[in-house]
Amino acid sequence: AQRVTQPEKLLSVFKGAPVELKCNYSYSGSPELFWYVQYSRQRLQLLLRHISRESIKGFTADLNKGETSFHLKKPFAQEEDSAMYYCALKGSGNTPLVFGKGTRLSVIA
Amino acid sequence: EAGVAQSPRYKIIEKRQSVAFWCNPISGHATLYWYQQILGQGPKLLIQFQNNGVVDDSQLPKDRFSAERLKGVDSTLKIQPAKLEDSAVYLCASSSNWGHINSPLHFGNGTRLTVT
Repeated sequence: AQRVTQPEKLLSVFKGAPVELKCNYSYSGSPELFWYVQYSRQRLQLLLRHISRESIKGFTADLNKGETSFHLKKPFAQEEDSAMYYCALKGSGNTPLVFGKGTRLSVIA
Repeated sequence: EAGVAQSPRYKIIEKRQSVAFWCNPISGHATLYWYQQILGQGPKLLIQFQNNGVVDDSQLPKDRFSAERLKGVDSTLKIQPAKLEDSAVYLCASSSNWGHINSPLHFGNGTRLTVT
């Protein structure tokens, strides 16, 4: 079974401080991992995916298969990063995308 | 490109009543999903369509929920009769290429359902 765990419901950091949003997963095969974000009054949208190894809006995430983690990181938080962040996992084949419960990031000026 | 359209945005009904939600995916997107998001939780897949065929409806409460995508474009999700625990945001999403890593899900704004 696929499972995604985001241990923090709320994370508050000061502007300019580093940010790390935690995500752990459970899946027996090779997963595809994603981070989705929902800004206030906007729709849920893709932020980044592990296979692309990209940095989006200063955020990066590395898949650690040994620790089954896919933590989202940013070295210097900005106020506009305040949003709800969801980690999601897709297994092989036609398995659906499974979301974690989300972490609300609040960046304080 | 125009995004995924959903209506209505909000709906309040009494328990045991019926309700229907409508979704129009991004043009050309073959895969359509309905997710249920209860307050404080992440989205949970209810049903996935590939064109007008059902791919996965294993988590759809079929005694009260139904969904269709007759022409492979628009889709409707119905609840009959509604229960208090159905209060949630119902999200529709679409993607261009089923299961492909480069086909992320595009979400609509959702319909917030309150059952009283």
